[in-house]
Amino acid sequence: AQSVTQLGSHVSVSEGALVLLRCNYSSSVPPYLFWYVQYPNQGLQLLLKYTTGATLVKGINGFEAEFKKSETSFHLTKPSAHMSDAAEYFCAVILAGGTSYGKLTFGQGTILTVHP
Amino acid sequence: KAGVTQTPRYLIKTRGQQVTLSCSPISGHRSVSWYQQTPGQGLQFLFEYFSETQRNKGNFPGRFSGRQFSNSRSEMNVSTLELGDSALYLCASSYTSGPTYQETQYFGPGTRLLVL
Repeated sequence: AQSVTQLGSHVSVSEGALVLLRCNYSSSVPPYLFWYVQYPNQGLQLLLKYTTGATLVKGINGFEAEFKKSETSFHLTKPSAHMSDAAEYFCAVILAGGTSYGKLTFGQGTILTVHP
Repeated sequence: KAGVTQTPRYLIKTRGQQVTLSCSPISGHRSVSWYQQTPGQGLQFLFEYFSETQRNKGNFPGRFSGRQFSNSRSEMNVSTLELGDSALYLCASSYTSGPTYQETQYFGPGTRLLVL
């Protein structure tokens, strides 16, 4: 069974600082990986996804993530944090295979706080 | 294109009652997945429907059920509500043609259910 671990339930950065949100997965088959963001009282919005091909994936709002198979990681980064980045971020995995229809498995989420 | 819509947005019920939540997917999307989000358990997969058929189900009791109509709209029902069913219920839609799991799931704003 697959699982996703997000290291750090809360991350605090200063405006303009690097954002690094960590995600590790366990999977016996190649996974597809996603990062979603959730603002208060809203649903989830896709930031980026890795399926196949280039391991460095660029997303919206200046975010990017790198798939590292050897480390089973898919960390999310942004060079310079903005106040508007304050939200909760979720890493998710879905497996290719007949038993995984529509089933995203999510990490526990990381709340990002951005200080002026 | 209009996004995923969910109705109602907020709901208050009492223990023992039942509730029906509705989800309208993005036009052309045929897969609908449902998730429960709580502070304690995070985001958990409930079930997925494609072309009116349930293809996958999460680890929830039989009180949780769903269905999908020919126009891809989906409903989920929770019978005999318990206090622990208080949560944000999210649905997500994707195009999903054939056995591909690369498809992005697009989330609605959710229905917040409070059970008293």
